[in-house]
Amino acid sequence: AQKVTQAQTEISVVEKEDVTLDCVYETRDTTYYLFWYKQPPSGELVFLIRRNSFDEQNEISGRYSWNFQKSTSSFNFTITASQVVDSAVYFCALSGAVTGGGNKLTFGTGTQLKVEL
Amino acid sequence: GAGVSQSPRYKVTKRGQDVALRCDPISGHVSLYWYRQALGQGPEFLTYFNYEAQQDKSGLPNDRFSAERPEGSISTLTIQRTEQRDSAMYRCASSGNGAGQFFGPGTRLTVL
Repeated sequence: AQKVTQAQTEISVVEKEDVTLDCVYETRDTTYYLFWYKQPPSGELVFLIRRNSFDEQNEISGRYSWNFQKSTSSFNFTITASQVVDSAVYFCALSGAVTGGGNKLTFGTGTQLKVEL
Repeated sequence: GAGVSQSPRYKVTKRGQDVALRCDPISGHVSLYWYRQALGQGPEFLTYFNYEAQQDKSGLPNDRFSAERPEGSISTLTIQRTEQRDSAMYRCASSGNGAGQFFGPGTRLTVL
């Protein structure tokens, strides 16, 4: 069975601070995908990134960066110079290979990020 | 369309009534997924389709829940004889060729 753990329930930071959201996963699949989604107060789920299990290169997109470490089964998300607009619930998710049982997502319970002035 | 759309956005119903929730995926997306999200939790998988074929319905809680996608585009999730525990946000997502899943705005279902 697949499992995603986001141990941080809530994080509060002051604007311009860097913040890292942790994600640890469990899977028996050799090929899998990892995702991050943002859920702002308005409620929609916004896709941020998808990472293939064979690609352990870190990725940077503007103020966002992701650190994938297969050895520790972690896929952490860092926001640099946080802004108030980053306040949201962030979900980490995992899916199996597309050619297997389909890529249904298993989500973690989310981390509520609050960025204050 | 530009994104995944769902209707209605809000549905209030009385216990015992049937409800039908609609999802219109991104044009051309082969795969369509239904999830349910309780307050304070992450979405949980219900079922998914490739084209019109229902590939996996292992997440449907019981036989009161069913879904269809007859022409491989729009999908309907039906809940019969609703119960208060069915109250949740129901989310639809679509995906093309194994890329990331893109979610609709959801339908907030409240069963009184």
